[in-house]
Amino acid sequence: DAGITQSPRHKVTETGTPVTLRCHQTENHRYMYWYRQDPGHGLRLIHYSYGVKDTDKGEVSDGYSVSRSKTEDFLLTLESATSSQTSVYFCAISEERGSYNEQFFGPGTRLTVL
Amino acid sequence: DQQVKQNSPSLSVQEGRISILNCDYTNSMFDYFLWYKKYPAEGPTFLISISSIKDKNEDGRFTVFLNKSAKHLSLHIVPSQPGDSAVYFCALGAGTALIFGKGTTLSVSS
Repeated sequence: DAGITQSPRHKVTETGTPVTLRCHQTENHRYMYWYRQDPGHGLRLIHYSYGVKDTDKGEVSDGYSVSRSKTEDFLLTLESATSSQTSVYFCAISEERGSYNEQFFGPGTRLTVL
Repeated sequence: DQQVKQNSPSLSVQEGRISILNCDYTNSMFDYFLWYKKYPAEGPTFLISISSIKDKNEDGRFTVFLNKSAKHLSLHIVPSQPGDSAVYFCALGAGTALIFGKGTTLSVSS
């Protein structure tokens, strides 16, 4: 168990409202990631962090921002939610396993934007 | 253009038979390959991995094969069990980044 929690687990919001999703880890891992999962698209990387205050964009970063002020917390913010951002959001942390990095995923947040 | 393709969205197999899930990729830069399994309403969980310097890795009922010349990865599950019914994602790694396929939904009937 990599000790990853996500909050909230479910959220319904309206178009145009700001939304912040939280990922919390207890294992002090350096790398943290935000993905979204949509039917027909698999898992797509939104943003990732390689340390406190160090973040970078992923494949589908438009409309999202992130912050990491503490090692254990990685926040994903939708500044003005749109219906296209209705999705399941997964946070992950990365742990080196010799020759590869294994990513451990949180339980997900189901976001619905009406 | 997709770097990773799982061309079969779904696969149905009978209990006890072999399940073969496939993954094709276009870029030779990846140096490790993983398979994840996902049940509904849960996060993906790591299943098995293989380094680019190997062509086979086995863990119990699960075996991953890598054919670098064909840029093809496959996961074999033998024997398949109803509890294996889930969505399977291949993931290709370079450094700390992973690129995921779209997933294949495996249904194992008893």
